[in-house]
Amino acid sequence: DAKTTQPPSMDCAEGRAANLPCNHSTISGNEYVYWYRQIHSQGPQYIIHGLKNNETNEMASLIITEDRKSSTLILPHATLRDTAVYYCIVRPPGNQFYFGTGTSLTVIP
Amino acid sequence: KAGVTQTPRYLIKTRGQQVTLSCSPISGHRSVSWYQQTPGQGLQFLFEYFSETQRNKGNFPGRFSGRQFSNSRSEMNVSTLELGDSALYLCASSGTGGRNEKLFFGSGTQLSVL
Repeated sequence: DAKTTQPPSMDCAEGRAANLPCNHSTISGNEYVYWYRQIHSQGPQYIIHGLKNNETNEMASLIITEDRKSSTLILPHATLRDTAVYYCIVRPPGNQFYFGTGTSLTVIP
Repeated sequence: KAGVTQTPRYLIKTRGQQVTLSCSPISGHRSVSWYQQTPGQGLQFLFEYFSETQRNKGNFPGRFSGRQFSNSRSEMNVSTLELGDSALYLCASSGTGGRNEKLFFGSGTQLSVL
C-alpha cells in the first residue's frame, strides 16, 4: 500500500520553480524516498531519490525534512515538457514500488 | 546502453484468449518487475523476478504468471483474458533490486481485451 500523500493536482507558471510536496509520516529509518514522473501512456521516468540528506541532480532537487516525515521535489525552472503526473514513493524492503495516485502537474505558458 | 524494451507495444485480444508479453531489461540488470496500470487502480505491482526466480508477488490472481530466462529477459502471461485485464503493462529493471537502486521502466505494452 502507498505510504505517501500528495496533492492531486498543481499548476506552475513556465520558467518558475515547481515545488511538489509529499507526506510520508510513517516512513521507516531505512526506507528511501523516490520520485518518478509519468507522461501519458509512457513508462514512469526516474527523477531523484534520497534517504536523509537533500539531493540534487540535473533534473531536480529533493528536500527531505529532518524528521523524514515529508519531502519536497523542486523543479527549478519548469517547462511545458514537465507537465506530467509526479509520484512520490517510499520504497519498502523488496523491489516493489507502491505508486499511489501522484500529483498531476500542469505547467502553464 | 539500450533501455528496457517491451514488445509488442500494442495488442488486441478477445475474452478467453491468453497473451504473452516480453521484456528485455537493461544489459547487466538481473531484476525484472512487472506492473499493471489502469485508470481505476493506477499502477499496481504484479511480480518481480531475480536470477530466474520469482522473488516478490503482488495481489493478482493466478491467471497472471511470469518467468525469467537465464539472460534476464522476462515474459508475462495472462490466461483466460477478461475485459478488466485491459491495461498498460509495464516492465522495469534494476541491477539487483537493492533499495538504493533506481528502477528503469520500459514504454509498456497497451493491451486491449474485447
